[in-house]
Amino acid sequence: NAGVTQTPKFQVLKTGQSMTLQCAQDMNHEYMSWYRQDPGMGLRLIHYSVGAGITDQGEVPNGYNVSRSTTEDFPLRLLSAAPSQTSVYFCASSYSRQSYGYTFGSGTRLTVV
Amino acid sequence: GQQVMQIPQYQHVQEGEDFTTYCNSSTTLSNIQWYKQRPGGHPVFLIQLVKSGEVKKQKRLTFQFGEAKKNSSLHITATQTTDVGTYFCAGPPSGNTGKLIFGQGTTLQVKP
Repeated sequence: NAGVTQTPKFQVLKTGQSMTLQCAQDMNHEYMSWYRQDPGMGLRLIHYSVGAGITDQGEVPNGYNVSRSTTEDFPLRLLSAAPSQTSVYFCASSYSRQSYGYTFGSGTRLTVV
Repeated sequence: GQQVMQIPQYQHVQEGEDFTTYCNSSTTLSNIQWYKQRPGGHPVFLIQLVKSGEVKKQKRLTFQFGEAKKNSSLHITATQTTDVGTYFCAGPPSGNTGKLIFGQGTTLQVKP
């Protein structure tokens, strides 16, 4: 039981490049979410999903795309990286009843130069 | 949209002192969740409160959910150096339990 696995752990991108942050969970959780964490800003919700085939925008969705073709995977795509997207990205998942809260991955530290 | 505010942003205490962080939402919440993040780590779920006026305890930690389900607090009695970290509250708005919005967090430093 690996929990929530995020890859890569570190990434440096040049402005304008695209990339996909991977997130996979093996707990059969219905809910999955992506957050970004910047100093003093807490965790801001980018996109979330309540089940396979269903996604919705969070607080800061611009510049990011997601899809949820399976229950296990929830990749986050950066379409054209900008320095403002330099951040730590966390993927998290939960059962729909949320009795046990969200389980977070260990994060991806992304730098855009 | 929904906003979740947390105060204070930072708190420095002497070991053995008490600590409280407060959380307020602009909208009624389905539930309130609390997380702890150690420096360099990821958030870890502590507890969830669902009912209006609910109070739960975990050893030295006491969590409260307000009567209107729009505010919450976390109180730590007799802090220890192991309590160091950032404490976040988070809640989904009523009717949308998949959309978990976090407060900005309160960072606790404990001086031995």
